[in-house]
Amino acid sequence: KQEVTQIPAALSVPEGENLVLNCSFTDSAIYNLQWFRQDPGKGLTSLLLIQSSQREQTSGRLNASLDKSSGRSTLYIAASQPGDSATYLCAVGAFGDYKLSFGAGTTVTVRA
Amino acid sequence: DAEITQSPRHKITETGRQVTLACHQTWNHNNMFWYRQDLGHGLRLIHYSYGVHDTNKGEVSDGYSVSRSNTEDLPLTLESAASSQTSVYFCASSETGQGQETQYFGPGTRLLVL
Repeated sequence: KQEVTQIPAALSVPEGENLVLNCSFTDSAIYNLQWFRQDPGKGLTSLLLIQSSQREQTSGRLNASLDKSSGRSTLYIAASQPGDSATYLCAVGAFGDYKLSFGAGTTVTVRA
Repeated sequence: DAEITQSPRHKITETGRQVTLACHQTWNHNNMFWYRQDLGHGLRLIHYSYGVHDTNKGEVSDGYSVSRSNTEDLPLTLESAASSQTSVYFCASSETGQGQETQYFGPGTRLLVL
């Protein structure tokens, strides 16, 4: 059974600092990995999807890397802003399946 | 614009009652999922469907059921609500096919079982 871990559970940074969020998974035979954002009281919004054949994916200030062999992914958010305050979840997809296994998330607070 | 909606957004019920949570998507997606989110556990999969009349159990399916009679809807039923089922419930959908695996989530239903 795939286990997905996100450490730390929460972090607080001053505005302008770069954010580094970590995700680890136990089974390296993954099909893809996704990063989601969740605002308080809201549903999840997909940020980035990395296929297993890719090493990274970028969108604006966001960059996600994937190292399957070590079972790790990192989400980088450059020049953080208060609007980046949210919970970020990573999720792993398996081959031949559309289900996702989620981590518990990292709650980020960006202080103005 | 295509969307996924859930109703009700908030629900209070009593132990032992049957409760049905609605999920409706206009993406025309084949795949639909129900999750529950609890502090410290992240999202856990309850049931999922890959098409009309297809339903499958997830990792925490005991006490829940679903049915899929059309593409747009996947209602979740709690047969006899228990206090342990107090949670936030999310519905999601995704398309079938390579590169289409992104899941789109509804706004959630907060359920309190007294």
